[in-house]
Amino acid sequence: GNSVTQMEGPVTLSEEAFLTINCTYTATGYPSLFWYVQYPGEGLQLLLKATKADDKGSNKGFEATYRKETTSFHLEKGSVQVSDSAVYFCALRVEDSNYQLIWGAGTKLIIKP
Amino acid sequence: SQTIHQWPATLVQPVGSPLSLECTVEGTSNPNLYWYRQAAGRGLQLLFYSVGIGQISSEVPQNLSASRPQDRQFILSSKKLLLSDSGFYLCAWSVFSYEQYFGPGTRLTVT
Repeated sequence: GNSVTQMEGPVTLSEEAFLTINCTYTATGYPSLFWYVQYPGEGLQLLLKATKADDKGSNKGFEATYRKETTSFHLEKGSVQVSDSAVYFCALRVEDSNYQLIWGAGTKLIIKP
Repeated sequence: SQTIHQWPATLVQPVGSPLSLECTVEGTSNPNLYWYRQAAGRGLQLLFYSVGIGQISSEVPQNLSASRPQDRQFILSSKKLLLSDSGFYLCAWSVFSYEQYFGPGTRLTVT
């Protein structure tokens, strides 16, 4: 079946550190991939997306590349800030799914000043 | 532009009481609508989705129900709340494309 696996958190980093949050997936066909971010007490916001292999999504300094050969969509940022502290969710959508998304469990990121 | 509203923002209800959470979307027509629940420190659980008025699909059997009386209105209900219904309830919409857009959420505490 279709699934998304994220690295377990929390991930704790110092400000200006390099960030990687791993996301791997299992899916039939050619899924679209997403990263969402949830700040404390808020709903989820779409952070970036990629719809086909080798696409790179980017937003707010975050990047993720759709790697079909490794079935991965790792989230990266070169220099994190305290304001990046949040929970990050990886998700995929497969065709013919009534636009439903398959969600990872989320990774909590804590950035210390 | 599109916006999504949820209310109330927070709710404290006793066990056995009824529940009604409302979600409305502005600025789009015939959206797909979704209700999710997020338990404390946990991921997202899809509860219901709807592709049109009166069309509701349930993903998880439970004592909750959903209704879509109007194109851009989605309601989550329960006749009798359980302690296990506590959580953060999120409404989301999508249209044509596949990314979902979320409301601010309702934090429900059942006591």
